[in-house]
Amino acid sequence: DVKVTQSSRYLVKRTGEKVFLECVQDMDHENMFWYRQDPGLGLRLIYFSYDVKMKEKGDIPEGYSVSREKKERFSLILESASTNQTSMYLCAGQGAYGNTIYFGEGSWLTVV
Amino acid sequence: QQQVKQSPQSLIVQKGGISIINCAYENTAFDYFPWYQQFPGKGPALLIAIRPDVSEKKEGRFTISFNKSAKQFSLHIMDSQPGDSATYFCAASGGTGGFKTIFGAGTRLFVKA
Repeated sequence: DVKVTQSSRYLVKRTGEKVFLECVQDMDHENMFWYRQDPGLGLRLIYFSYDVKMKEKGDIPEGYSVSREKKERFSLILESASTNQTSMYLCAGQGAYGNTIYFGEGSWLTVV
Repeated sequence: QQQVKQSPQSLIVQKGGISIINCAYENTAFDYFPWYQQFPGKGPALLIAIRPDVSEKKEGRFTISFNKSAKQFSLHIMDSQPGDSATYFCAASGGTGGFKTIFGAGTRLFVKA
């Protein structure tokens, strides 16, 4: 079975903290994504990567950065967490020639 | 040009009824239109998808209707069941956007028993 694993399901962080959200996929997928999900706003793309060490900005990259040192791992970094970054974060993978996106179960981040 | 507009935002349907969710897109280069289903506490998962060379695709109780000229597509859930209660996202990808997928805002469906 296809699997995208987000190691932290629930986090509470303080304003100004540096936050790391980790994601691992076991599908050997080239493409990986980080989305943010907020009620009424759907899924908004933060960053994506189509290869190791490659990254592209999505629709809402401000305040975030990413790292992809290995094919199976894609990390989202909040350099200085702010309360408006309280949200659910979804990692996803996709094959180079496929269309289907496979999501992890999400990481709920609360910034206080 | 890259937007996908989804309606309604929420929907309440009686058990056994038909649930209908609509989406509209702008970019005529899109060539893949999936629907994702998300249960509370879970990530979205692919439910059904269609390409623009067909006008309808059916999988069990779930049907996508596609109108290329109107740039609209919709999800019909026949004989809706309480277990169908979830959030549904339409999406579009392909064309000049490549593998990048654009999602609608989502519809929260509640099926009353």
